[in-house]
Order: sequence, then structure tokens, then C-alpha cells
Amino acid sequence: EDQVTQSPEALRLQEGESSSLNCSYTVSGLRGLFWYRQDPGKGPEFLFTLYSAGEEKEKERLKATLTKKESFLHITAPKPEDSATYLCAVQRDTGRRALTFGSGTRLQVQP
Amino acid sequence: DAGVIQSPRHEVTEMGQEVTLRCKPISGHNSLFWYRQTMMRGLELLIYFNNNVPIDDSGMPEDRFSAKMPNASFSTLKIQPSEPRDSAVYFCASSMFQSNQPQHFGDGTRLSIL
Repeated sequence: EDQVTQSPEALRLQEGESSSLNCSYTVSGLRGLFWYRQDPGKGPEFLFTLYSAGEEKEKERLKATLTKKESFLHITAPKPEDSATYLCAVQRDTGRRALTFGSGTRLQVQP
Repeated sequence: DAGVIQSPRHEVTEMGQEVTLRCKPISGHNSLFWYRQTMMRGLELLIYFNNNVPIDDSGMPEDRFSAKMPNASFSTLKIQPSEPRDSAVYFCASSMFQSNQPQHFGDGTRLSIL
């Protein structure tokens, strides 16, 4: 069974204080690892897809990396508008196309 | 571009009533997913369709839940009869099956069963 574990559950940062979120996964053949951002009352918003170990993707203050067992979402010099829940999900390379999600990391960036 | 559209955004009803949630996927997408989000269990797949055909309904909790996709631009998730434990946020997502495009989510229906 596919499993995704995210840590920490919650993170409070000061504006400008860089940090990383962790996503550990087990899956029988990885097609892709996805990062989403979710704001209160909204659906998850797609950020990145990573396909193979060593791959990195960047978008503004966010950078996602992938190894064979985990992914990191690095947040550099965060701003209050980066406050959200960040969700990690995996998709298998065969059969089931649905995503298996982690429980998320609630990030709060204080000014 | 129009994203995934779900209705209603909020639904409050009494136990035992029938509930119907609706979803319009992004035009051109041929995969549609229904997820449920709760504090205890996070986001979980209920069912997904490929080209309007149900492929995996292993996440549907019980026979009280049913889903249909009569055409490429519309899907429904029905709960009959509803129970308080069905209270959750229900999300619909769509994607292109053959490509590496991600799933795009609607803003969900917040369902409260009293």
C-alpha cells in the first residue's frame, strides 16, 4: 500500500526565515510526486511534479527536490502570503492513477 | 480558463436525506476524480473515471455512496441516506490521463449532516 508521511505537521516561521518541509513516501513504482498548496476554504493548487531522483523544480521562493525515499520543499525567505497547508502526493507508474496524499504541513509565516 | 467547478459550495442537511454533489471538469480532460477531506483522514480518493467509465471505486465507503459520469463535462456524487459521519469536504479533480499533467482541483463542497 502506498504511504506518504509529511513533517512537521505545523511550522511557524518569521518572515525571511528559510526552512524545509519533508515528505517521505513508499510506493510500488513512482510515476510522479506532486506538491500542492491549499489555502483555507479552497481546493489544492498544483505547485510541482517531480519524476525521478535528483530532479529539482523551482517557483519563486519554493524549490522542490526528490530522492528515492523522500522529497523536500524548501522555502527561501518566506513571506506572509506563503502561509498555507502544503500537501505532498504520489502517483503510481502503473494501474491506479489516483493520488495518495500525505496529511500536509500547515505553514504560518509571521510578519 | 475555467477550472473545475463544483456545486454547491456548502450543503447542510439532516441525517437520512439524499445529497447530490456536482462537478464540471476542465474542458478536454478525460479523467475525473472524487476525493474526500477530513481532519482525521486527510484527502482520500473515493472514485475515479476515465473517459466517463468508473475505473477504481475502492474508496467508496459503502453502498450509500454512488457516482456517475453521464458525459465528459459532468459528474455527480450521491449519498443516500446521509449520515453525520459523512460530514467532510468533497473535492472533484480532473486531468488528462495520457499526459503528465497534474490533477486540478475544484474548491470543494463542504457537507454537514446534522
